[in-house]
Parts: sequence; C-alpha cells; structure tokens
Amino acid sequence: GNSVTQMEGPVTLSEEAFLTINCTYTATGYPSLFWYVQYPGEGLQLLLKATKADDKGSNKGFEATYRKETTSFHLEKGSVQVSDSAVYFCALSDHTNAGKSTFGDGTTLTVKP
Amino acid sequence: DAGITQSPRHKVTETGTPVTLRCHQTENHRYMYWYRQDPGHGLRLIHYSYGVKDTDKGEVSDGYSVSRSKTEDFLLTLESATSSQTSVYFCAISESGGLKSTDTQYFGPGTRLTVL
Repeated sequence: GNSVTQMEGPVTLSEEAFLTINCTYTATGYPSLFWYVQYPGEGLQLLLKATKADDKGSNKGFEATYRKETTSFHLEKGSVQVSDSAVYFCALSDHTNAGKSTFGDGTTLTVKP
Repeated sequence: DAGITQSPRHKVTETGTPVTLRCHQTENHRYMYWYRQDPGHGLRLIHYSYGVKDTDKGEVSDGYSVSRSKTEDFLLTLESATSSQTSVYFCAISESGGLKSTDTQYFGPGTRLTVL
C-alpha cells in the first residue's frame, strides 16, 4: 500500500535559518505529492503541490521538488520566520482511489526570534 | 478559502452515548472525508464518500458510521462513544478523484471531542 515517511520532529530553528523537512514515499503508479500546513487550532491547508516527476511546487518561500528516482519530496525554505511555526504534513494521492490521500505523521516546526 | 464548516466545534460527552458530528460544504465537491488526528498518529481516515449515499470505510472505521443524504452534508456518528475516541476530528473535501485530478483536499476547522 501507499505510505509517507517524514522527518521526525520537533524541529526548532532561529529566525532566518534554513529549513529542510524530509519526506519520502512509497506508492504505486504516479502519485501527486503535497505539503500541508496546520497552524494551532486550525485545520490543514495546502501549502504546495507537485503532480509529476521533476515538478517544483512553491508557495510563500517554501519549495519542494518531486524526485521520482529517490521517491522524495523534501520541503525547504531559505529563511524561516516566527510566523512559519506550525505542523507540516507531507501527503500523496495516487488518483486511483477516490481521491484519498495518505499523510505522514507531521513535523512540528518552532521558529524562535 | 473553501467553504467547509464543522459542528459542533467542541463537545464533551460520556462513555456509551451516541454522538453525531456534521460537516457542511458549499463547494459542491463530490468527495468528502472524515479523519481523526491524534498525537503520534498523524491523520487517519475513518470513512469517506464519493457521492450521495455512496460511502466506504477508511483505515480506522470500527465504532463509526457515516451518512451522506445530500452533496453538501456528511455526518459522522459514534454509535456508542468510548474514551479511545477522544480526538480531534477533521472533515475534508476534494473536487474529484479522477486521473486528471490533483486530489487536493480542503479541510474544515475541526471538532474537538472528549469522551469521559
């Protein structure tokens, strides 16, 4: 079956530091890949996505590249801000299963001033 | 933001009582999902719907049932609540699940349920 493994947290960084959160996946076929973000007390919201190999998703300074050869979709940001503190979820959807997504366990990021 | 509401937002109940959570969407999306979120487990799919009156089980469906009588509403029922069902419950919707879809999911704000 499908699975998503993401970097265990929590991750604590100082403001303006570089961020990487690793994500690898196992799936049949050619899934779409996603990063969702969850702020305290809220539901998940889409941060970025990529639908095919070598695509780069980007939003709000965050980037992730769909690497089929390494089955990875690592999240990066060059300079984090305190407002980026949240829980980040990597996910995939394989299109063939009623749009169901498989989520990683989430990585909690705390950015200190 | 996608129009998804959940009610109630918070509920405290006692073991053995039935509980129904409601998810309402204004996007006319075909697919709807119920998840639970627990520390150390991420998001786990309980049930999902691929159309009116069309539902199926997810990975943690025991003790839960669902109904969808209208496109916009998806109800989750705990037949007899137990303490292990204390969790935060999220509803999500997706526009389509076909091969041309990116299957982005849009989430509601969540319902925090405590079973004493």
